[in-house]
Amino acid sequence: SAVISQKPSRDICQRGTSLTIQCQVDSQVTMMFWYRQQPGQSLTLIATANQGSEATYESGFVIDKFPISRPNLTFSTLTVSNMSPEDSSIYLCSVEEDGPGQPQHFGDGTRLSIL
Amino acid sequence: QKEVEQDPGPLSVPEGAIVSLNCTYSNSAFQYFMWYRQYSRKGPELLMYTYSSGNKEDGRFTAQVDKSSKYISLFIRDSQPSDSATYLCAMISNTNAGKSTFGDGTTLTVKP
Repeated sequence: SAVISQKPSRDICQRGTSLTIQCQVDSQVTMMFWYRQQPGQSLTLIATANQGSEATYESGFVIDKFPISRPNLTFSTLTVSNMSPEDSSIYLCSVEEDGPGQPQHFGDGTRLSIL
Repeated sequence: QKEVEQDPGPLSVPEGAIVSLNCTYSNSAFQYFMWYRQYSRKGPELLMYTYSSGNKEDGRFTAQVDKSSKYISLFIRDSQPSDSATYLCAMISNTNAGKSTFGDGTTLTVKP
C-alpha cells in the first residue's frame, strides 16, 4: 500500500501562531483528506483536497482557519492558523489508494499541542 | 443520532480469548464496511474491509456484515497482547461523495 508521510510528527506551539503540516504520498492519488482526532475521540473530516481545485471544507471548518494546498498529485499541506488551546489535537491526512469511494489509508498524524 | 454507533470500551481480555467488536449503523446507503486498528501514537491502519453481507476472514480476524440488521462485527480469535489497540469501524456511503464515517472506537487490551 501507499506510504504516507507527515511532517512534523509532533509540535508544541504558542497560541496565536500558525503551523503548516505536510503530507507526502509515494504514489499519485486523486483525493487527499485531512482529519482531526481529538484525544480519546474518533476522526472528524476537516476537508477534502483535489489537485488543481479549491479544497472542500466540512461544516464547522473554514478556509481562513485551515487553509489547504494541493500543488500536485503526491503532496498536500494543511495550515492551522491563529492557534488556540482548543486546536490541540492529532491531525491526519489520508488517501484513497485504490480510487474514488474506496477505503482510505492514513499517515501517522501530527500531534499538536498549543500552550 | 449518529449514523455509526460503536460499542463503547474499554475492553480487557486475557490472552487467547475471542474478542467481538461491534458497530451498528442507520444509513442504508453505506456500501463499504471497514475496520481500522490504531496503535498508540500511530495513524489508523486499514485492517479489513468488505462490501457485502457475510463473513470475510483474514488469519485470526473475521469481519462480519449483516446489512438487513445494519450491524457489523470484527472477531479476533486467539487474541494476543499485540492486538491491544483502538479499533475503529468505518463505512462509506455511495451517496456522500465516497466520504468515510467513523465510529468512536473501542480500546482493547489483551493481557498476557
